Amino acid sequence: DAGITQSPRHKVTETGTPVTLRCHQTENHRYMYWYRQDPGHGLRLIHYSYGVKDTDKGEVSDGYSVSRSKTEDFLLTLESATSSQTSVYFCAISVRGVSYEQYFGPGTRLTVT
Amino acid sequence: RKEVEQDPGPFNVPEGATVAFNCTYSNSASQSFFWYRQDCRKEPKLLMSVYSSGNEDGRFTAQLNRASQYISLLIRDSKLSDSATYLCVVNIPYNQGGKLIFGQGTELSVKP
Repeated sequence: DAGITQSPRHKVTETGTPVTLRCHQTENHRYMYWYRQDPGHGLRLIHYSYGVKDTDKGEVSDGYSVSRSKTEDFLLTLESATSSQTSVYFCAISVRGVSYEQYFGPGTRLTVT
Repeated sequence: RKEVEQDPGPFNVPEGATVAFNCTYSNSASQSFFWYRQDCRKEPKLLMSVYSSGNEDGRFTAQLNRASQYISLLIRDSKLSDSATYLCVVNIPYNQGGKLIFGQGTELSVKP
């Protein structure tokens, strides 16, 4: 158990509204990641962080921003949600670095209507 | 060519069968390889890392062929509880961006 929680676990929101998803870890790991998973695409990296206030973009970062003001929390914000952002969002941590095994939180199912 | 390619399946096998999944990757500089298991509507969970010499964990055997750039996962004596989607994962080296690339997964269904 990597001690990762995500909140909320389910959310339905309307197009154009801002949405923030939270990832919380209890073991002070340096590296944290946000992915989205959609049928036919597998897991795609949105943003990642390698420390407090150190973040970088992944392959599908448009329309998303992140913040990491504390080691234990990594927030993903959809500035103005669109229907194409309906997805399952997973947070992950890695212990050894960006090229090593990652451990995932339980996921957030987001529906944008 | 996709960075990581897997046969999506589904593989439908009876209990007790042996089943093998293959995965190919495009980046010859990749150094880290993993198999994850994902149950329906759940998070991916690390099944095993794949080492150059191949490795075994109970009924599961992983092999790496660097020359041909493919990874395999063999499951012996399949159980009903093995039904899941199996994700092949390969790293992009740090000097090329440094991240993990996930295959789309191979679905396995083990029947009584």
